Amino acid sequence: DTGVSQNPRHKITKRGQNVTFRCDPISEHNRLYWYRQTLGQGPEFLTYFQNEAQLEKSRLLSDRFSAERPKGSFSTLEIQRTEQGDSAMYLCASSSGASSYNEQFFGPGTRLTVL
Amino acid sequence: GIQVEQSPPDLILQEGANSTLRCNFSDSVNNLQWFHQNPWGQLINLFYIPSGTKQNGRLSATTVATERYSLLYISSSQTTDSGVYFCAVEPTAGTYKYIFGTGTRLKVLA
Repeated sequence: DTGVSQNPRHKITKRGQNVTFRCDPISEHNRLYWYRQTLGQGPEFLTYFQNEAQLEKSRLLSDRFSAERPKGSFSTLEIQRTEQGDSAMYLCASSSGASSYNEQFFGPGTRLTVL
Repeated sequence: GIQVEQSPPDLILQEGANSTLRCNFSDSVNNLQWFHQNPWGQLINLFYIPSGTKQNGRLSATTVATERYSLLYISSSQTTDSGVYFCAVEPTAGTYKYIFGTGTRLKVLA
């Protein structure tokens, strides 16, 4: 089991550009989560998928953010028209989805810097 | 919404010392995890512990769900234990999202 992987690990972009991040969960995990972590804070929930269905979105997820998990495997998080306030670590996690058992495993994160 | 407070916020120890980290939550929870975030930002699973006591080497954890707190014990600390420790709670069955605590920043000195 290779764990959760995320690409890219680092992204530097200019304000107004679009960026896309990818997350590959642990194989056979059917729940996938996105969190955001800013400096000095704990991670904050953004959204989660059960298979390909996006079941919950935080109000932190403005209309510039969109997430997909088209085949119930990997997921992408796109940010359109980036702003300096979007600079953060974006973390992906997955869990097996077995009933109420919800141990989440995190990837290494994608650190976004918006200039 | 649920509040998750951790104490102490910062802790400095000499190598070999023991410590107790606390996580208090303001409402009942369905699940609870402890994580160690290393200097590169990776969150490492320590314990999945909605209730009861677990041990793994020098680390152990206890969750008393009825009293709304969890404790993480680190014995014989090592410099590699340095980093930030988070507890995270799933506030309601079926929500699946975790709410993270405020974190405890630990530094272990050689």
